[in-house]
Amino acid sequence: LAKTTQPISMDSYEGQEVNITCSHNNIATNDYITWYQQFPSQGPRFIIQGYKTKVTNEVASLFIPADRKSSTLSLPRVSLSDTAVYYCLVGDKDSSYKLIFGSGTRLLVRP
Amino acid sequence: SAVISQKPSRDICQRGTSLTIQCQVDSQVTMMFWYRQQPGQSLTLIATANQGSEATYESGFVIDKFPISRPNLTFSTLTVSNMSPEDSSIYLCSVVTGGFHSGNTIYFGEGSWLTVV
Repeated sequence: LAKTTQPISMDSYEGQEVNITCSHNNIATNDYITWYQQFPSQGPRFIIQGYKTKVTNEVASLFIPADRKSSTLSLPRVSLSDTAVYYCLVGDKDSSYKLIFGSGTRLLVRP
Repeated sequence: SAVISQKPSRDICQRGTSLTIQCQVDSQVTMMFWYRQQPGQSLTLIATANQGSEATYESGFVIDKFPISRPNLTFSTLTVSNMSPEDSSIYLCSVVTGGFHSGNTIYFGEGSWLTVV
C-alpha cells in the first residue's frame, strides 16, 4: 500500500486559497488519490478523488502531475469552518480498498 | 453516496464490560470496514467485515477482542470486548460504493465515541 506524506499543520486566513500537497512516491498504477476532511469527533468526509491531471468539484480542486507521485488539494477562499484535519490517501480494489491513514494536515483558518 | 448510521453515537462504559456498535447503510455495499481513532490520533483499520464469513483482521487486532458480524450487505456490528480505558476511542464504520469513473469511493459513518471508566 502506498504511503503518503503531508505537512503536519498549516495556517491560513479567511478568504485565502489553501493548497495542501501530499507526496505518494510509491503510488501504484491502479491507485486513485482521495482526500478526506475530518472535524473533531466526526467521521472523515469525502472531499474529492482523482487519478490524473485536474479534478474540480463544488468544494475543492485536485491537481495531479503526470508522474502522479504527488497531489495538491486546493481549497478556494477558505472560511473558519474549513478548520479541520485533511487526509490524503491512495488505494484501489487491488488493495481491497484498505485505507491507510497518515497523520493528516491540521488546517487552522484564522479570522 | 451512502448514508451510514452508527449506534450508539456515544457511550460511557464500565471497565470489563462489552459493547456492540451497529452500522446500518441505506443501500447495499460491496465492502465494509471498521476503524478506530484514539484521542488525538489518526484512524487505524481494525478489520474488513465480510458478508457471511469471518472478518479479516489487521495486525494487532484479534477476533476475541473485536468480534465482528456482517449478516447482510447493509449491516454490520463491532463488539469491543472486556473493555479497558485504553479502548476509549471513536469507532468508525466505512463502506465502499461505486462511483467516479472506474474508481470507487469510501464513506464513513459519524462514529461511535466510547469512553471506558
